[in-house]
Amino acid sequence: DTAVSQTPKYLVTQMGNDKSIKCEQNLGHDTMYWYKQDSKKFLKIMFSYNNKELIINETVPNRFSPKSPDKAHLNLHINSLELGDSAVYFCASSSRGSLDNEQFFGPGTRLTVL
Amino acid sequence: GNSVTQMEGPVTLSEEAFLTINCTYTATGYPSLFWYVQYPGEGLQLLLKATKADDKGSNKGFEATYRKETTSFHLEKGSVQVSDSAVYFCALRDTGRRALTFGSGTRLQVQP
Repeated sequence: DTAVSQTPKYLVTQMGNDKSIKCEQNLGHDTMYWYKQDSKKFLKIMFSYNNKELIINETVPNRFSPKSPDKAHLNLHINSLELGDSAVYFCASSSRGSLDNEQFFGPGTRLTVL
Repeated sequence: GNSVTQMEGPVTLSEEAFLTINCTYTATGYPSLFWYVQYPGEGLQLLLKATKADDKGSNKGFEATYRKETTSFHLEKGSVQVSDSAVYFCALRDTGRRALTFGSGTRLQVQP
């Protein structure tokens, strides 16, 4: 049983292209996140949605547009890809009612922009 | 703002050695503290957590104690195994903010 799944696992594309990464969770959580992990393994929050509503939007270029069609899905669309977008993108989810906010992570999507 | 500082790696140990990975934090409120582990090619998994001062989180032989006076949450294990080789992330969640703030990660390499 996959708790948090992401597709694709690997994505190789050219500069300037538009691409999407999909995330789904079957844990019944109401909050989902996107994190970016750079080449030095540093992890940083990008977005967070609660019940399909955007609640966190860190300093991320507006080429990145998250979309949450329902509580179980949070997709990430990236326009006009740049070399610096190459990273591993992790989706995560948690329950609002959880006091310690344990987040469950997906396996990651490795994006390589050539 | 919130921040987490971890010791830089890689940390290379022999099997059965004692492990300490230092973690200190800065937060405006009373955060919950976490250690996550990332095995090669995989996503992050929660290793242990502590939600208030003096709490000790433990799992799989790893331990960490929430020290408010020193704003620290150091990870320890008495006897590491080759299978513990991974990247370890210290993280916090401050009250009123859902997202985690991560440290830079510490790579642990355990040699047989």
